[in-house]
Amino acid sequence: QKEVEQDPGPLSVPEGAIVSLNCTYSNSAFQYFMWYRQYSRKGPELLMYTYSSGNKEDGRFTAQVDKSSKYISLFIRDSQPSDSATYLCAMSAAGANSKLTFGKGITLSVRP
Amino acid sequence: KAGVTQTPRYLIKTRGQQVTLSCSPISGHRSVSWYQQTPGQGLQFLFEYFSETQRNKGNFPGRFSGRQFSNSRSEMNVSTLELGDSALYLCASSSYLGQVYNEQFFGPGTRLTVL
Repeated sequence: QKEVEQDPGPLSVPEGAIVSLNCTYSNSAFQYFMWYRQYSRKGPELLMYTYSSGNKEDGRFTAQVDKSSKYISLFIRDSQPSDSATYLCAMSAAGANSKLTFGKGITLSVRP
Repeated sequence: KAGVTQTPRYLIKTRGQQVTLSCSPISGHRSVSWYQQTPGQGLQFLFEYFSETQRNKGNFPGRFSGRQFSNSRSEMNVSTLELGDSALYLCASSSYLGQVYNEQFFGPGTRLTVL
């Protein structure tokens, strides 16, 4: 079993839809949870970062972490064509030496 | 502030050859990590360098190696290339100011094709 599993996609939604992206993980040591967005021919960029369990909101984006279920989600409200990209979840344990472990990523397409 | 730069952006090699990729981190960043991204396996951690020392290593064969220079620039080398090494190689830098979490900033990657 991989440490981080992410829904494979691809995912296609109409503009304005609410998008839900999910990841599960198996390593209880993970404390930091991130969502990266990667546009075509670019490197990933950090979208949201959450420590431990709870919710975090930033504009149209909401990140949720449920450590008891080892499950994290990213919600995108009022999706826009500019949100079309690959979304990767990433996690790390505590400690500056800890490496990031990524999900495989899901490609989202928002149709105008 | 300039972002992370990687050179070259595209590379075509044949099996058995070796390749060296270069990464220049954001000014002031002392940590550089390397990742391999493929459609089948996603983003996989190769290694991390901090102050010229390898601080962390992923599960890749010894054909993959790296180093970091005193100016924090980093290179990774892949020897005896195999078809399966075709991938996007990403470099990420972080400041590592001692806090428990350090955001990593990614470069655009080097697309390596092995024929």
